[in-house]
Amino acid sequence: GESVGLHLPTLSVQEGDNSIINCAYSNSASDYFIWYKQESGKGPQFIIDIRSNMDKRQGQRVTVLLNKTVKHLSLQIAATQPGDSAVYFCAERGDSNDYKLSFGAGTTVTVRA
Amino acid sequence: DTEVTQTPKHLVMGMTNKKSLKCEQHMGHRAMYWYKQKAKKPPELMFVYSYEKLSINESVPSRFSPECPNSSLLNLHLHALQPEDSALYLCASSQGFAGGQETQYFGPGTRLLVL
Repeated sequence: GESVGLHLPTLSVQEGDNSIINCAYSNSASDYFIWYKQESGKGPQFIIDIRSNMDKRQGQRVTVLLNKTVKHLSLQIAATQPGDSAVYFCAERGDSNDYKLSFGAGTTVTVRA
Repeated sequence: DTEVTQTPKHLVMGMTNKKSLKCEQHMGHRAMYWYKQKAKKPPELMFVYSYEKLSINESVPSRFSPECPNSSLLNLHLHALQPEDSALYLCASSQGFAGGQETQYFGPGTRLLVL
């Protein structure tokens, strides 16, 4: 089946630098994408989402970019802080009538002091 | 408020025990989900309830039995589990309107250990 994947399983970032987490997807029909952050011992926390009719969306310190041409999704975190250390999952919905989300494998972000 | 609560936080059970996991949300969401998550892996969907009816069962073994008593509550009944069922069990909810932006909000999970 088609699934969402991440380019790198781990990312080490210096505190204060910007982080970029990448995700590739294969279902060209996917219409909705979400980024989740999961800290150790906690459930996934919603960060930001984007619909397929957009190519960029900004939140507080985070930006999601969607490139439908190459089926690529990225999450940018500005001025990375120690509290940003977590596992980040991208997820896609393949059908607008579907409740199911397909999750990527996850990227573990470690922030160096 | 986007809070989903789950109880208990931790659960240890033997293979002959019967236990239940509970999930609650008060966001008026009409879709609720159970996921299983193994260490360092993404969540795996188990069940979806839509408007209190089971709409998706991802071929989950019958030793897991979901129940949705009302629109705010979701239970997962456990019986005769195996050690490989040890995992973090996550509950999530979403608005439940097909075609909408179905953001799923997750609870903190129940860490289950089967001995």
